[in-house]
Amino acid sequence: GAVVSQHPSRVICKSGTSVKIECRSLDFQATTMFWYRQFPKQSLMLMATSNEGSKATYEQGVEKDKFLINHASLTLSTLTVTSAHPEDSSFYICSARPRNTGELFFGEGSRLTVL
Amino acid sequence: AQSVTQPDIHITVSEGASLELRCNYSYGATPYLFWYVQSPGQGLQLLLKYFSGDTLVQGIKGFEAEFKRSQSSFNLRKPSVHWSDAAEYFCAVAPRGNAGNMLTFGGGTRLMVKP
Repeated sequence: GAVVSQHPSRVICKSGTSVKIECRSLDFQATTMFWYRQFPKQSLMLMATSNEGSKATYEQGVEKDKFLINHASLTLSTLTVTSAHPEDSSFYICSARPRNTGELFFGEGSRLTVL
Repeated sequence: AQSVTQPDIHITVSEGASLELRCNYSYGATPYLFWYVQSPGQGLQLLLKYFSGDTLVQGIKGFEAEFKRSQSSFNLRKPSVHWSDAAEYFCAVAPRGNAGNMLTFGGGTRLMVKP
């Protein structure tokens, strides 16, 4: 099946700094990618839909200026957590959909810890 | 509003025993239905999906699920559980005709397997 890769898998940062997480579709082109957030022992919550070449669409309650999403190419979307705070600590997962199928493929996730 | 309910937060079964994980959904029309598995610290892997046709769906790793329209359910089953099946399982739905977008996840069921 298709492969989606996230980097880094784990990141620890100080409060107030910014962190960038990359999501790459390794063997297909993805016009649409999705970013989810997962708190410990909870389900995934969709944060935003990332569209190649256009602005991301954010879910209600997600701060656009806090979670910057850039989908500059058909194989890469990035999520930047700006001015991170401890409450931003979470597991962030991306998914991507190949152009010619409806199936979503998920990345391995990135665990962010803000000290 | 659409919702997905997984009534069991935790389930423990003995290795070799049968397994059934429950999933109920509330939706305007029959959605697309999915089951995903997540190992600790990992992304999600698709086990199986139902779009239409035969209501008994076969998936990977020996899993199957049965769609029951009258009960708005899509329960996941496995005849004989292996220790490697210990993980978190998520049921998800997507609007019909839009399988690649707008996944709504259930709260998840954590499966533990006793030797």
